[in-house]
Amino acid sequence: GAVVSQHPSRVICKSGTSVKIECRSLDFQATTMFWYRQFPKQSLMLMATSNEGSKATYEQGVEKDKFLINHASLTLSTLTVTSAHPEDSSFYICSVEGRSNQPQHFGDGTRLSIL
Amino acid sequence: GENVEQHPSTLSVQEGDSAVIKCTYSDSASNYFPWYKQELGKGPQLIIDIRSNVGEKKDQRIAVTLNKTAKHFSLHITETQPEDSAVYFCAAITDTDKLIFGTGTRLQVFP
Repeated sequence: GAVVSQHPSRVICKSGTSVKIECRSLDFQATTMFWYRQFPKQSLMLMATSNEGSKATYEQGVEKDKFLINHASLTLSTLTVTSAHPEDSSFYICSVEGRSNQPQHFGDGTRLSIL
Repeated sequence: GENVEQHPSTLSVQEGDSAVIKCTYSDSASNYFPWYKQELGKGPQLIIDIRSNVGEKKDQRIAVTLNKTAKHFSLHITETQPEDSAVYFCAAITDTDKLIFGTGTRLQVFP
């Protein structure tokens, strides 16, 4: 069964809206989760590493004030795209770091479309 | 930092034939290499992985080989079926536990 649950699966909203995406670890407590962005026909690019109880670590070029990450519990991380614009339209995917020596498990992604 | 290159970008095969996808990586410290299958509108799903202490791993119709010296690793799918059609990504994990993905291969298996 699914290890990672991501919600919502699809969002369509107007420019200027803030959008929150949730990522839940279903099978185990996850101190680390990752957020990726994938543009059409491209690869996954890591945006940030979400650490439970501390600030997220952002990759170079990713605006931390634009993409707010909250990892308030061991099973939930949220990504909020603030004041979204059409160029933020993309497929956002979270993953959960597996237990010791285990691979990352990915959610089914959120397709964000900003009009 | 780590850089992963993947070839080919698209691959079309007849059902029953084999498919091979190749990746190279740059960081010799990388020690874990997963392969993911991504179907349309979904997140990537792990199909097989290999660690740097082995040269080959097989799981039914899927196998992965690793050449640490050359920094190459490959995915082999035998007896392909239409349901194998998807985008496949290789990846390497860095010393900071970050996954760096290849550029992806769109595999089409024709009946």
